[in-house]
Amino acid sequence: AQSVTQPDIHITVSEGASLELRCNYSYGATPYLFWYVQSPGQGLQLLLKYFSGDTLVQGIKGFEAEFKRSQSSFNLRKPSVHWSDAAEYFCAVGPGTNAGKSTFGDGTTLTVKP
Amino acid sequence: GAVVSQHPSRVICKSGTSVKIECRSLDFQATTMFWYRQFPKKSLMLMATSNEGSKATYEQGVEKDKFLINHASLTLSTLTVTSAHPEDSSFYICSASTPDSTDTQYFGPGTRLTVL
Repeated sequence: AQSVTQPDIHITVSEGASLELRCNYSYGATPYLFWYVQSPGQGLQLLLKYFSGDTLVQGIKGFEAEFKRSQSSFNLRKPSVHWSDAAEYFCAVGPGTNAGKSTFGDGTTLTVKP
Repeated sequence: GAVVSQHPSRVICKSGTSVKIECRSLDFQATTMFWYRQFPKKSLMLMATSNEGSKATYEQGVEKDKFLINHASLTLSTLTVTSAHPEDSSFYICSASTPDSTDTQYFGPGTRLTVL
């Protein structure tokens, strides 16, 4: 069975500070990993995805994530947070052949202090 | 590219009535669309997979007679919540995959359903 754990329910950072959101997964095969962002009352927007190759993945809006197989982790990072980054962030893992079968974590709410 | 829309964005209905939610892929043909339900402060729960021209595949525990899904064209899937009750109130989100990228899904903006 596949599962995703996002250990931090809520994170608060100051604008301009760095950010790291944690994601740990459990998956029996080679994982396809995703990070999504959801603004209040909106759908999910894909930030980045990892399937293979370079374990450091660049995404949109200045985000990056690093896949660490030994730690079963796929943490999301941003060097300098903007107030507009305040949102809900979801990590997901799934099979490559069927995106709809992805399993989502419970999400991390990011608050940005001015 | 890969834009998915949903309509309506919000709907309020009385208990016992039916509500239809539309999901459209605007700039691509989606042979497969997915319907999710999201509770407040919770993750997404896959309800069903909508396949163009065939019956939808429902996840375990999802009532197929309650949540009717129709995928009549390559750009449109609909979810009808029949005989809605207050416990059906939720945020419903659809997503779609492009034919050449089935490993990635693109999400619609969601529909907030409130049943009084």
